[in-house]
Order: sequence, then C-alpha cells, then structure tokens
Amino acid sequence: QSALTQPASVSGSPGQSITISCTGTSSDVGGYNYVSWYQQKPGKAPKLIIYEVANRPSGVSNRFSGSKSGNTASLTISGLQAEDEADYYCSSYTSSSTLVFGGGTKLTVL
Amino acid sequence: QLQLQESGPGLVKPSETLSLTCTVSGGSLSSSSYYWGWIRQPPGKGVEWIGTIYYSGNTYYNPSLKSRVTISVDTSKNQFSLNLSSVTAADTAVYYCAGAGPSPYNWFDPWGQGTLVTVSS
Repeated sequence: QSALTQPASVSGSPGQSITISCTGTSSDVGGYNYVSWYQQKPGKAPKLIIYEVANRPSGVSNRFSGSKSGNTASLTISGLQAEDEADYYCSSYTSSSTLVFGGGTKLTVL
Repeated sequence: QLQLQESGPGLVKPSETLSLTCTVSGGSLSSSSYYWGWIRQPPGKGVEWIGTIYYSGNTYYNPSLKSRVTISVDTSKNQFSLNLSSVTAADTAVYYCAGAGPSPYNWFDPWGQGTLVTVSS
C-alpha cells in the first residue's frame, strides 16, 4: 500500500490560516470518510486532532478543521499560533482493509 | 481517563523477536467500545500502522508486516502485546500502542508515550 501524499512542509505567520493537504485515491481517502489527522510535537506521541474527516475530539481547539474533496483531504488551522508548530500526519482506511498514513508535514510558524 | 504504557527491551539483536507489552489503565481493555493498536515510527521518519486487535482476539495486520507480526491480548492483566519476528535494522523505531476507537481501521486515541527499540548486535 502507498502512503498518502502530504507536502513536506508548510509555513505561516501568527494569526494566518494554513491548509495541509492529504492526497490519496478512490481506494482510500476518496472512498471512505475514515480520514484522521494527528499533531506530533518533538519527542511526543502523535495526538488525534480530527477524526472521520471533520470531527474534533473533545478538548481540541476549534481552530482545527478538516474537510475532504474527491481524493484529497485537508486540515485547516486558523488563527495560527506558535504552539501549532509541529508535524502533522493524515491517515485513511483503505479498500484493502488496512490503514495507511501520510508521510507527514512539518508546520513552521514564522 | 484512559492511559496506555509500553514496556519491553530497548535493544534487540538482528534475526531475533521484538516483544512489547502495552498496559491499559483507567479503563477496561475488554470494553466493547475500543479496539487496540500498535504503530511505529523510525527515527526522523513517518508513522506506520502495524496492526490492531479486539479484546476477543480478532486481529488486523499491515500486509507488509503480516508474515512477521503477532498481536495478542490478555484481558486478565488489561494488556495487549506485540511480537515482531526476524527483525533487522529497518525495524528500529519508536513503537507506540494506542486505543483504536470503535473500528480496527479508523483513528487512534489515546497513545502511549512510545518506546524506542533499537535493532543492533
């Protein structure tokens, strides 16, 4: 199974909005609403921030939002803050009954 | 509040079997609301799903690792375990256990803190 495609890096200034894309195929991202997003800070375990495309777990800031169009899922962070600087990973269920992750995106807050 | 903690050797020799245990606290591993999973992350690289288990023992594995992986559960100890056989240096990674939500292929939350396993002679 191929990893989902994410940009290696994105950056933004405090207060801005940024979007991280996660591109798959009709056999994974495009075919199911089982896309999740994780935030990982250095030396820490990933933290779930979006599940099932657009749902936020309790306690996650509403500055984080998820969406999907065709074979591409997106994570948008609005009102960017310094604390948002981290690596972000997407994941998706696949038609082969497996789970695949994206390669990760490093977010830099300028 | 559910918490997970990985334990096991930090160093494994090539060709041997990597064995890790995840202890669940703050809730029952037998809860019908949760599956339980293992995920790994090689140093400086991305995240890879290893496999998922239900308390009944049903397992779901990454096809790329399936021939070497066994995940098992011990409900009496509120633990689940990972065995990865015939390891090589490519298996060096931080290994995480996590709650896997209401299905085996959906989301992971919460995660353990992770444990680094190095494969070296």
